[in-house]
Amino acid sequence: QKEVEQNSGPLSVPEGAIASLNCTYSDRVSQSFFWYRQYSGKSPELIMSIYSNGDKEDGRFTAQLNKASQYVSLLIRDSQPSDSATYLCAVNIFRGSQGNLIFGKGTKLSVKP
Amino acid sequence: DGGITQSPKYLFRKEGQNVTLSCEQNLNHDAMYWYRQDPGQGLRLIYYSQIVNDFQKGDIAEGYSVSREKKESFPLTVTSAQKNPTAFYLCASSDRVGANSPLHFGNGTRLTVT
Repeated sequence: QKEVEQNSGPLSVPEGAIASLNCTYSDRVSQSFFWYRQYSGKSPELIMSIYSNGDKEDGRFTAQLNKASQYVSLLIRDSQPSDSATYLCAVNIFRGSQGNLIFGKGTKLSVKP
Repeated sequence: DGGITQSPKYLFRKEGQNVTLSCEQNLNHDAMYWYRQDPGQGLRLIYYSQIVNDFQKGDIAEGYSVSREKKESFPLTVTSAQKNPTAFYLCASSDRVGANSPLHFGNGTRLTVT
């Protein structure tokens, strides 16, 4: 099993809809989870972090974490064309005593006007 | 403004030449990282450093070298031993290497080797 897995997409949603992005991870002891947005040709920017089970909301974004199922998701409400980007899931994975952020390959989101 | 500066933005080199990518941060972060991104791929960790004069190999360190002589600076050298050096290189920093510290990225350097 890959350490951090995401569907590559593309995920296409109409403007105003809810976009749902999913990520699974392999390390049961992971404690930190992040979502980054990356526009084409640009560097990733942090949009959400979550550390506890449940939901965390920030504006139109909601991160959901289920550690028992090793699953983290990102919901984008009222999707806008400007949300069209690749979304990277990052999980702190421990190898021995050292943890480092491991990234999924990203899900490409396209929001159609 | 605090941030991470990578230079140059674009870099072209001939095969067989070593090349050094610059990364400077003024966030007062202890930890710095280098990642590589290939088209359609996620980020892969090359090297990271927790403190000055210390650094650790990541998943794909072969063909790369780094130094950390100052807290603010973490240059990456792509050597001629790196078989497929053409990629987008991203430098990042965080408060520390650890569970709860998100990474902050520079704007990246796009390296093309022909």
